[in-house]
Amino acid sequence: RKEVEQDPGPFNVPEGATVAFNCTYSNSASQSFFWYRQDCRKEPKLLMSVYSSGNEDGRFTAQLNRASQYISLLIRDSKLSDSATYLCVVNPAGNQFYFGTGTSLTVIP
Amino acid sequence: NAGVMQNPRHLVRRRGQEARLRCSPMKGHSHVYWYRQLPEEGLKFMVYLQKENIIDESGMPKERFSAEFPKEGPSILRIQQVVRGDSAAYFCASSPPRGTGGYYEQYFGPGTRLTVT
Repeated sequence: RKEVEQDPGPFNVPEGATVAFNCTYSNSASQSFFWYRQDCRKEPKLLMSVYSSGNEDGRFTAQLNRASQYISLLIRDSKLSDSATYLCVVNPAGNQFYFGTGTSLTVIP
Repeated sequence: NAGVMQNPRHLVRRRGQEARLRCSPMKGHSHVYWYRQLPEEGLKFMVYLQKENIIDESGMPKERFSAEFPKEGPSILRIQQVVRGDSAAYFCASSPPRGTGGYYEQYFGPGTRLTVT
């Protein structure tokens, strides 16, 4: 079983829509969780760290469900500039970071 | 505060040559990670280093690949006798030491795109 699994999509949504991505992880002892965004042929950029109580940053909300071992990212009022691949990242206790294969989002005018 | 620096940004090598990729972490960061991303695939962990130490190289191919992070200077990922299958984007990330406060986050450099002809 993979450490981190994401639905690859693609998700094609109209501007202004709300879209949510889920990501599941296999190691119940995992401690830290992140969402990164990656634009085509660019480096991943940290979008949000996911705190146990959930956190919000503008139009973006991240949630963690330890019982079901998943994290989610909600994007409200989608903009064209949100089009990218969103990577779920999990850090079990230790030094490795496990990346999901990413979920592709295209926001359509 | 400059971000993570990588050079070169693009590197072309013929089969059998050596490739050297450099990474300078963010100021204050002592942990360096190398990842490889093949076309249309996700990021794959290769190696994790601290100054003068390899901490985890479980993602490194057993042959031809090596990495170092000397006391002075950048971290180097070295690929000997490159083959076409080594063509990929190689990203370096850095993070602060654990316990220094804040969240244990990684920040990525712009990557080196290696093309083997």
